[in-house]
Amino acid sequence: AQSVTQLGSHVSVSEGALVLLRCNYSSSVPPYLFWYVQYPNQGLQLLLKYTSAATLVKGINGFEAEFKKSETSFHLTKPSAHMSDAAEYFCAVSIYNQGGKLIFGQGTELSVKP
Amino acid sequence: NAGVTQTPKFQVLKTGQSMTLQCAQDMNHEYMSWYRQDPGMGLRLIHYSVGAGITDQGEVPNGYNVSRSTTEDFPLRLLSAAPSQTSVYFCASSYGGRMNTEAFFGQGTRLTVV
Repeated sequence: AQSVTQLGSHVSVSEGALVLLRCNYSSSVPPYLFWYVQYPNQGLQLLLKYTSAATLVKGINGFEAEFKKSETSFHLTKPSAHMSDAAEYFCAVSIYNQGGKLIFGQGTELSVKP
Repeated sequence: NAGVTQTPKFQVLKTGQSMTLQCAQDMNHEYMSWYRQDPGMGLRLIHYSVGAGITDQGEVPNGYNVSRSTTEDFPLRLLSAAPSQTSVYFCASSYGGRMNTEAFFGQGTRLTVV
């Protein structure tokens, strides 16, 4: 069975500091992985996706994620946090052979302090 | 281009009442799905459709019904609301069933059952 675990339900950083949001997956088949962002009272927006073309994936708003098969990880990073990055972030995996269905992690709420 | 539109945005129901959450997309996407979002649990799949006339159950289908008579619309019905169904509901659509297909989300419906 496939699953996604996000370490840390809440992460707080200072403006300008590195953002690191952790995501580990479990899958017996090559996974397709996604990061979504949810701003308050809004729907989810795609940040980036891994589809096996490249292990380092760049997304919108300066975010990127690196797929590491040996560590079964897909951590999300941004070199310098901005106040506007405060939101909830979800890691998700596409269910094998059922494209369009997603399994989500528990979510990580990112706070950015001035 | 409106994308995925959900109505209503907010709803309060009494236990035992029924209602329908509406979802419409204008992107001609084949795949549509309903998720519920609860604190600390991420998003969980309720029901899913791969095209008009075809629906399938997700992880948490009990208490919910769906139908898909057109490509554009995918309503979610609560037959007899229970307090455990208090949640935020998201509708999503995607183009086809490929593993790397991203899902597009509506703005959500916040439902409270008292």
